[in-house]
Amino acid sequence: SQQGEEDPQALSIQEGENATMNCSYKTSINNLQWYRQNSGRGLVHLILIRSNEREKHSGRLRVTLDTSKKSSSLLITASRAADTASYFCATDGGEYNFNKFYFGSGTKLNVKP
Amino acid sequence: EPEVTQTPSHQVTQMGQEVILRCVPISNHLYFYWYRQILGQKVEFLVSFYNNEISEKSEIFDDQFSVERPDGSNFTLKIRSTKLEDSAMYFCASRQSGAVSGEQYFGPGTRLTVT
Repeated sequence: SQQGEEDPQALSIQEGENATMNCSYKTSINNLQWYRQNSGRGLVHLILIRSNEREKHSGRLRVTLDTSKKSSSLLITASRAADTASYFCATDGGEYNFNKFYFGSGTKLNVKP
Repeated sequence: EPEVTQTPSHQVTQMGQEVILRCVPISNHLYFYWYRQILGQKVEFLVSFYNNEISEKSEIFDDQFSVERPDGSNFTLKIRSTKLEDSAMYFCASRQSGAVSGEQYFGPGTRLTVT
């Protein structure tokens, strides 16, 4: 199975600190996407990184991808209480297969004010 | 900003009843998906749809499930005879293209409760 797995499962930090979440997957990918989900709500797309990219930035978000290790990390800098949510990575089927996406179990981030 | 919408936000139904969950994907998107998330669990792929046919489906998507794009805008998921274990959040998603950089956008979800 391709399913990605995030770690840690839960992360609790103080406002202003950085939060790093990791994602590992098993087979080749075309791209990897990170999503945020507030409790009981929908999935908000954060960032997509292609398999030929190593790092990508969007505001306070920094994503890295290491295809040799089949892993990605999401860094949120200067965290805010509003960043409290679950964060998921999603990978595709690789080899230009975009018919199916796999989600990990997520990292539950708690940012304390 | 364009977004995927879903109705209803919450559906309560009795076991054995049929339900139809509705989605309006982003208008210029070509690839459509349904996922579900049982409470406290990971998001699971159900089915993908492109060019008016199913591209791929998971083992969850058995004969009780069907999808349809009845007109140019709606994308529906039908569960013929609901079971208690069908209780979950159901998410619709759409994607503009098959390109590597095509992002997948999700709707807010429909919470299905089967009693």
